[in-house]
Amino acid sequence: EVQLLESGGGLVQPGGSLRLSCAASGFTFSTHAMSWVRQAPGKGLEWVSGISGRDGSTYYTDSVKGRFTISRDNSKNTLYLQMTSLRAEDTAVYYCAKGNNFYSGYQNWFGPWGQGTLVTVSS
Amino acid sequence: DIVMTQSPDSLAVSLGERATINCKSSQSVFYSSNNKNYLAWYQQKPGQPPKLLIYWASTRESGVPDRFSGSGSGTDFTLTISSLQAEDVAVYYCQHYYNTPLTFGPGTKVDIK
Repeated sequence: EVQLLESGGGLVQPGGSLRLSCAASGFTFSTHAMSWVRQAPGKGLEWVSGISGRDGSTYYTDSVKGRFTISRDNSKNTLYLQMTSLRAEDTAVYYCAKGNNFYSGYQNWFGPWGQGTLVTVSS
Repeated sequence: DIVMTQSPDSLAVSLGERATINCKSSQSVFYSSNNKNYLAWYQQKPGQPPKLLIYWASTRESGVPDRFSGSGSGTDFTLTISSLQAEDVAVYYCQHYYNTPLTFGPGTKVDIK
């Protein structure tokens, strides 16, 4: 059974940093693209970033470019999201999601998803 | 960026009746090179992460009941629940994966009438 377990969320002040982790199991992690998708309280879904399985190419939505960094450690079956210069509008549940594609870091549908970790940016 | 819109925002359907959700993309998500529409559908129940229902616009994910079906091509797509069950109460999202950034529709809330 595929399992994705996010961790690292919490309360952080504006301008602060957090690193999210997603521990994957139940599938060959290195052969799948992975993404982070967020959902602000009571709002819809927003794709944040993706990383390919083939060569680790990374992709970001414009609002996080230069502030967030996605990475993966295939030896640990773990996906990361390093978040810096956090803003109030980054407050959301952050989901880790398994992509279907090995080659592309963005041409993916997502399934399954982790349970999410809540990031709250507030003073 | 490709903008995804959905209609209606919400709908209430009697048990056993058909529910239809529409999704429109601001540009075509059809690749002629492989004859595929880069469009997926998800179901999200309260307090849960989204669940994949449909990909390639009309391919049902393994384990998804056959009362869920997807159709459409180019810029206009539809998710149909042929006979609504109580467990189908949820918010439904479409998502394109044609290019970056990937974007989702705003969601359609489905309730029981």
